[in-house]
Amino acid sequence: EPEVTQTPSHQVTQMGQEVILRCVPISNHLYFYWYRQILGQKVEFLVSFYNNEISEKSEIFDDQFSVERPDGSNFTLKIRSTKLEDSAMYFCASGGGQLNQAFFGQGTRLTVV
Amino acid sequence: QKEVEQNSGPLSVPEGAIASLNCTYSDRVSQSFFWYRQYSGKSPELIMSIYSNGDKEDGRFTAQLNKASQYVSLLIRDSQPSDSATYLCAVKRSSGGSYIPTFGRGTSLIVHP
Repeated sequence: EPEVTQTPSHQVTQMGQEVILRCVPISNHLYFYWYRQILGQKVEFLVSFYNNEISEKSEIFDDQFSVERPDGSNFTLKIRSTKLEDSAMYFCASGGGQLNQAFFGQGTRLTVV
Repeated sequence: QKEVEQNSGPLSVPEGAIASLNCTYSDRVSQSFFWYRQYSGKSPELIMSIYSNGDKEDGRFTAQLNKASQYVSLLIRDSQPSDSATYLCAVKRSSGGSYIPTFGRGTSLIVHP
């Protein structure tokens, strides 16, 4: 069964460093999303990507964040200068099916120290 | 204004009972509704999708949608201890064609033997 794959599963980084989180969406899906979940809190929308461009972004997705689909299969989230409050689980999801259901990857746990 | 509301719980039910999870949403033009299950430390897993008023059954799960009341629910019949998890309600709105699933905080379900 096709699935969304995320790497790495866990990333520890120092404050101020750049991180790149990677995702391989389900191949025939057209919509791609990044969400984050701070420990104990709700799943929060960051950004959506459709037709090779950002289609919507939340207030959280400020200038420190960027997304790319560099090679037609991978989908990346870059945080340029990490802050302590960026520590969270980051989930990639891709959308497909009759209702464009979002299927999630297993997540990357980002710890900023 | 909260877009998707759920009682955080925990909802505790005995094994074999019916668990009833509820969700309300504020955006009347919401189109599709999803229930996800999230085990602790794991990613959300899609278990049900519904877009028409009424009931939709899949195995032990039944999703119920009432668009007039802006209410969606999930019934789990013959609850098992393995059903113990947080259940997330997600509502898809359409904004510029980007179809963003928006999540509630989730309801924690505990099924005790």
